[in-house]
Amino acid sequence: DQQVKQNSPSLSVQEGRISILNCDYTNSMFDYFLWYKKYPAEGPTFLISISSIKDKNEDGRFTVFLNKSAKHLSLHIVPSQPGDSAVYFCAASEGTSGTYKYIFGTGTRLKVLA
Amino acid sequence: DAGVTQSPTHLIKTRGQQVTLRCSPKSGHDTVSWYQQALGQGPQFIFQYYEEEERQRGNFPDRFSGHQFPNYSSELNVNALLLGDSALYLCASSLASPQETQYFGPGTRLLVL
Repeated sequence: DQQVKQNSPSLSVQEGRISILNCDYTNSMFDYFLWYKKYPAEGPTFLISISSIKDKNEDGRFTVFLNKSAKHLSLHIVPSQPGDSAVYFCAASEGTSGTYKYIFGTGTRLKVLA
Repeated sequence: DAGVTQSPTHLIKTRGQQVTLRCSPKSGHDTVSWYQQALGQGPQFIFQYYEEEERQRGNFPDRFSGHQFPNYSSELNVNALLLGDSALYLCASSLASPQETQYFGPGTRLLVL
């Protein structure tokens, strides 16, 4: 049972345009969400997180939006740069339940074209 | 400030053997989690160690065990290796609270032949 789903395995975007990566979840107990970026031969790098008490969090070019009623979150990258080309994972956890594990999606490979 | 480090970077073993992977957490972190990432999948939680005890465990068999040392570093041991254990093993460190962000190391790639 895949509790966190990233339904787009890949995405190509022109440099300078907006990249939108999507993630859906099924567990209504999830209350903390994160996005990680992963380059080949490296571990995942933390990008941005959002608590369920918020619906938006912004950090520079990266913004995460959370729609709790739809159980959907998205990561916006504006403007996209060639260095953003990587695999992006969303992750979720039930922090307030005292659960420490992150549940990850299967990732979306972003390619930013110069 | 060193981030999370893992050793070795790569490892080749044969079926039935045992393997030990090592992790040093980011400076100031006291909690270590281990994840397995198979090809084309997202990382899957194996277990988490805090205060030298296993605090939570994912759906992995008892062949997977771990240890945390007083300096917060950690080991992951896998016994009786199967071909399906071939994967990238990731260590993540954090502070103890559930909503503290976990920071990942570069991983150890294990190949079981």
